[in-house]
Amino acid sequence: EVRLVESGGDLVQPGRSLRLSCAASGFGFDDYAMHWVRQAPGKGLEWVSGITWNSGRIDYTDSVRGRFTISRDNAKNSLFLQMNSLRPEDTALYYCVRIAVAVQAIEYWGQGTLVIVSS
Amino acid sequence: QSVLTQPPSLSAAPGQKITISCSGSNSNFEYNFICWYQQLPGTAPKLLIYDNYKRPSGIPDRFSGSKSGTSATLGITRLQTGDEADYYCATWDSSLRAWVFGGGTKLTVL
Repeated sequence: EVRLVESGGDLVQPGRSLRLSCAASGFGFDDYAMHWVRQAPGKGLEWVSGITWNSGRIDYTDSVRGRFTISRDNAKNSLFLQMNSLRPEDTALYYCVRIAVAVQAIEYWGQGTLVIVSS
Repeated sequence: QSVLTQPPSLSAAPGQKITISCSGSNSNFEYNFICWYQQLPGTAPKLLIYDNYKRPSGIPDRFSGSKSGTSATLGITRLQTGDEADYYCATWDSSLRAWVFGGGTKLTVL
């Protein structure tokens, strides 16, 4: 069974940093691209960042580029999101997601970890 | 920039059939593959449709997808109260190198 378990969400003040983690199990982690998608309270889905299986290609949405850093540790089946200079508009539930191989689809979603940026 | 437009809400009675539209504003939309996601209240999204019309294993054939030109459609037949959820279309925009989501459609089954 594919499992994606996020952690690290918290209440933080604007300008501070936070590191999210996603522990993957039930599949060959190093075979898949992994991404982060967020959802602000009561709002829709917003893609944040993605990383290929070997970290060879990394992408960010414009609003987080330069502030967030995605990374992965294939030996530990883990995905990370380092979030710096946090803003109130970064408040959201952050989902770790697995990208399908050979088709364009977000196949699996974790349950999310909540980040609240507020003073 | 790619934008996917969905109706904000829909309502229908149990047993009926509904369709949810997703229109693209990018000239590349015609060549993009569309996914559809169901988000039940308080849960993570779940993949319903990929490659415009294909269903993952375990998704009932009451759910269908289609795409023509700059518009995609999710169809749900024999509506059940358990289908009450938010539905999102999405596509990978290869020029932006970003996933783009529609704004979501809240389906109410009265």
